[in-house]
Amino acid sequence: GAVVSQHPSWVICKSGTSVKIECRSLDFQATTMFWYRQFPKQSLMLMATSNEGSKATYEQGVEKDKFLINHASLTLSTLTVTSAHPEDSSFYICSARLSGHSYNEQFFGPGTRLTVL
Amino acid sequence: EDKVVQSPLSLVVHEGDTVTLNCSYEVTNFRSLLWYKQEKKAPTFLFMLTSSGIEKKSGRLSSILDKKELFSILNITATQTGDSAVYLCAGPSSGNTPLVFGKGTRLSVIA
Repeated sequence: GAVVSQHPSWVICKSGTSVKIECRSLDFQATTMFWYRQFPKQSLMLMATSNEGSKATYEQGVEKDKFLINHASLTLSTLTVTSAHPEDSSFYICSARLSGHSYNEQFFGPGTRLTVL
Repeated sequence: EDKVVQSPLSLVVHEGDTVTLNCSYEVTNFRSLLWYKQEKKAPTFLFMLTSSGIEKKSGRLSSILDKKELFSILNITATQTGDSAVYLCAGPSSGNTPLVFGKGTRLSVIA
């Protein structure tokens, strides 16, 4: 159980286009999902916390107008990178927290590798 | 500000060696500490530690938490090349708080 999927697993796009990444909890409900970004050989950096039915909470330095997050249901959160630029090329990973669990156990999606040309 | 520090940052060992990875933390309202293994994709969950002094084991991997001294170790015995990965330690401070990750320890096991 506790499987999280992401789609697409990789994407290449032109500079200036927008890219949407989906994160789904397949066999459980997740009131909270998290979006991370990871540059090569670096650790996971939290971008935002996504709560179902409310606005996402962004970490300092992350532009909310550039990285649009929507958590429309208990099993789906989306991250849209708007007007992508080469510096946005990175590995984007989501995680989902099991609702109702007393401890903060999170499960990660397989990640999406974004390359902006 | 919550902080998780891992050491060493990288480690190269030979197959069969035993390794110990360290994680120290400063997390307000500590609840649990988690270990993950990351190969080429997203991290995979290894252990969640909530109680001090109780070892968790999974095959050749084991981990223990010391809440008084605010650290945890991850041990891997009889290492294999398949253990080569980045091992991440993370601590949440409350139920809805995001994970704070350490920078990871990059382990390379050579034949």
